[in-house]
Amino acid sequence: DAKTTQPNSMESNEEEPVHLPCNHSTISGTDYIHWYRQLPSQGPEYVIHGLTSNVNNRMASLAIAEDRKSSTLILHRATLRDAAVYYCIRGGLNSGGSNYKLTFGKGTLLTVNP
Amino acid sequence: DTAVSQTPKYLVTQMGNDKSIKCEQNLGHDTMYWYKQDSKKFLKIMFSYNNKELIINETVPNRFSPKSPDKAHLNLHINSLELGDSAVYFCASSLIGTSLLYEQYFGPGTRLTVT
Repeated sequence: DAKTTQPNSMESNEEEPVHLPCNHSTISGTDYIHWYRQLPSQGPEYVIHGLTSNVNNRMASLAIAEDRKSSTLILHRATLRDAAVYYCIRGGLNSGGSNYKLTFGKGTLLTVNP
Repeated sequence: DTAVSQTPKYLVTQMGNDKSIKCEQNLGHDTMYWYKQDSKKFLKIMFSYNNKELIINETVPNRFSPKSPDKAHLNLHINSLELGDSAVYFCASSLIGTSLLYEQYFGPGTRLTVT
């Protein structure tokens, strides 16, 4: 049970921004939101994670809703290399449960058009 | 330098055989993992080892046995291979395994085909 909901697929044009949504309405107070992506024929790679505040790194930005029930991964300028499956995952510290495991859902398949 | 490496990249074998997949990380991480990605592309954790000690063991048939000779290596041995074992197997590592705040680094995968 991935406990997050994402659209199955999205499409974007090269050099345009992409907003990938994720719903995690049952998220607990200690769970972070993590994003990984899997390029074709490769292993997943880490993108970004956050708890409450918006986060930026060299790859992307993460915008987290004030109620933390949803978040959006933002790729500011999509390139062809960004075509991948993007996974939104909730989890964090080991609080005696299993929320420190990466539980992958179906993810969102992002297609980038030239 | 490859951070997490796996060998072999492809493995084709017959039902009933025993095979191993090797994984090595040169990141100095304490925790290593094995994941299975099936034909429907679902990626699921199988095992996790922290400093050679098993910390996650999902509902995996006991034909699958991870072996960690040291914290830089986590090999996956599979006995009596079945058709349903065909999948891509990914090895991963992270600095600390009991917190997702430490990102996981994945290997390139081993595509296992059982005929």
